[in-house]
Amino acid sequence: GAGVSQSPSNKVTEKGKDVELRCDPISGHTALYWYRQSLGQGLEFLIYFQGNSAPDKSGLPSDRFSAERTGGSVSTLTIQRTQQEDSAVYLCASSYRVNEKLFFGSGTQLSVL
Amino acid sequence: RKEVEQDPGPFNVPEGATVAFNCTYSNSASQSFFWYRQDCRKEPKLLMSVYSSGNEDGRFTAQLNRASQYISLLIRDSKLSDSATYLCVVNMRDFNKFYFGSGTKLNVKP
Repeated sequence: GAGVSQSPSNKVTEKGKDVELRCDPISGHTALYWYRQSLGQGLEFLIYFQGNSAPDKSGLPSDRFSAERTGGSVSTLTIQRTQQEDSAVYLCASSYRVNEKLFFGSGTQLSVL
Repeated sequence: RKEVEQDPGPFNVPEGATVAFNCTYSNSASQSFFWYRQDCRKEPKLLMSVYSSGNEDGRFTAQLNRASQYISLLIRDSKLSDSATYLCVVNMRDFNKFYFGSGTKLNVKP
């Protein structure tokens, strides 16, 4: 079956602009996670969703970052007023249930000029 | 202190060699453990889960030592295609969180 799908694969934007990143999890997976990875660095947790529960937003670095998950499926991560330090690969992962093994999408490379 | 620590490497080994990586975790309440593989500019992919009794998948063997709070990955008969960064991942079920190590880079040379 289809894996985790992310779009766009690459996004170049100007400082101060808003961006939206999309994640389509594996069908039937109830848990969805967002991470970001800067070049040569480890994965930084941003937010996770589990079913209809309130999301865990504890990893969001600032109030410029927000995420939604509509209908328990597709998720969008929004970054407002982008800054150069937001440049990174944004990775989405899903799992059948929370705490089970994660399957990652291929990521969105965000470059803020 | 980081939740998960790994030696960043790189480990440079010849084809056919056996290589082992360790990973330590700080929280004894950690409950699930995984090894992921990440190729350059690609997403992490699950290599194997790590079970309490240890487990093997072909050339790969994973071990868990709860008393000392470390997990290990052993790769036998290394192939050129094993060259990648290996990520140690620990799950804290009570917090619904996964903690990733920064990865150990492996270079297998001909």
